[in-house]
Order: sequence, then structure tokens, then C-alpha cells
Amino acid sequence: DAGITQSPRHKVTETGTPVTLRCHQTENHRYMYWYRQDPGHGLRLIHYSYGVKDTDKGEVSDGYSVSRSKTEDFLLTLESATSSQTSVYFCAISDLGGQGNSPLHFGNGTRLTVT
Amino acid sequence: KQEVTQIPAALSVPEGENLVLNCSFTDSAIYNLQWFRQDPGKGLTSLLLIQSSQREQTSGRLNASLDKSSGRSTLYIAASQPGDSATYLCAALNAGGTSYGKLTFGQGTILTVHP
Repeated sequence: DAGITQSPRHKVTETGTPVTLRCHQTENHRYMYWYRQDPGHGLRLIHYSYGVKDTDKGEVSDGYSVSRSKTEDFLLTLESATSSQTSVYFCAISDLGGQGNSPLHFGNGTRLTVT
Repeated sequence: KQEVTQIPAALSVPEGENLVLNCSFTDSAIYNLQWFRQDPGKGLTSLLLIQSSQREQTSGRLNASLDKSSGRSTLYIAASQPGDSATYLCAALNAGGTSYGKLTFGQGTILTVHP
């Protein structure tokens, strides 16, 4: 497995509370991504980063923010968790943004339940 | 907007069979097409990446083809084994439109290989 660690692996939280998920990589890859995976919707991009302090929105970014202060860490924050944010969250990394011959490498996911 | 569709949604075969998984995409402006495997409770593992200029890629018993003009890719698995049981996802890396530089995933094919 590529050196990607997601924490926590499981979390249960209440509606309205803030939640932060962490992705840590040891590969020194430039690009980092946050996806959510839901039945019937597949994998959808939330936010991504193309360098330290450089981030951009994906297709389902409402209610989420991200930060990347170091190459190795990419944080995803749910500002005020809602039940619709119950999902499995995956972090992915890439050295070339997926272009050329550089596939994405995924972490093992964080299962988040918002009650 | 790119849409990626995978057929069939689920497939059950006896061990030893050769099988084909299908992936279609609506926008041919892609950099590459990637195939992933996902085991239950795990992240995605990259299997094959076909660049837009290529027609196929092979890795062991896996062969992936790409026909960009018709918007199709296939993953061929030879001599299937129970260990091949997993969900297989394809994803197109978009080279144009509002999803430029981002992957669009299909919803996957759940493969079961029974002894």
C-alpha cells in the first residue's frame, strides 16, 4: 500500500458538531484529494490540493472545508455535521495529478456516522 | 458533464471463467482511463491505467482496452479465481469541461467468483 494513513478510521458524531478528518502521506506526492463514497452515487470529489496551501473545490464541496499546511497532511473539516454527511471518506494522493502514467493511490477510508 | 457507466452492476461466475467488465463514458476528452479494485471495507487499489493515446494495457491476468472514439473501456480477467471477488471501478480523467483534471468514477461492478 502507498503510505497513506487516514484517521480516525471510524467516527460517530452528533448533528451540528464540527468534525475533522486527517490524511497523512509519506510519499511526498504533490496532489491530495478527498472523496466521499455513497451507495447509488459512487465516489465523488469533495476538495483537492495541488500543493501546500493550494486547494480547490470538487463537485460536492458544500459544508466542507480543507487545509494543507504541510505536504504530508490534508485535513477535511465538516463545519457543522449533518446526517447527509454520513458516508465513507477516502483520501487519495498522486504525484502528477493523475496525468500521464500516474494513478491515484487511496487510503483505507474513514467511516463517519452523523446521528 | 462527464458520466461514467459500468455494466453489469453485479456479476457472479464460476472459478476459471474468463470475463469482461464494461465501462462507458460520455465525453471522449480524457487524459486516461483507470481501473481500480475495491475490497470490502478497504480503499481502492489501482489495477491498470490506459493513457488516451493507448489502446490497451496488460498486467498478469488482467487486460484493459480503451476505445476513446466510442467512449468505451473493457477489463478482461482471464481464468478467474475466488480471490478476484471484489468491486471493480473505472474512472476517466477528464481533459476538458468543468471537470478538467478530475476523475469521474463509475459506480462499479461487484464481481463474485465462486469455487
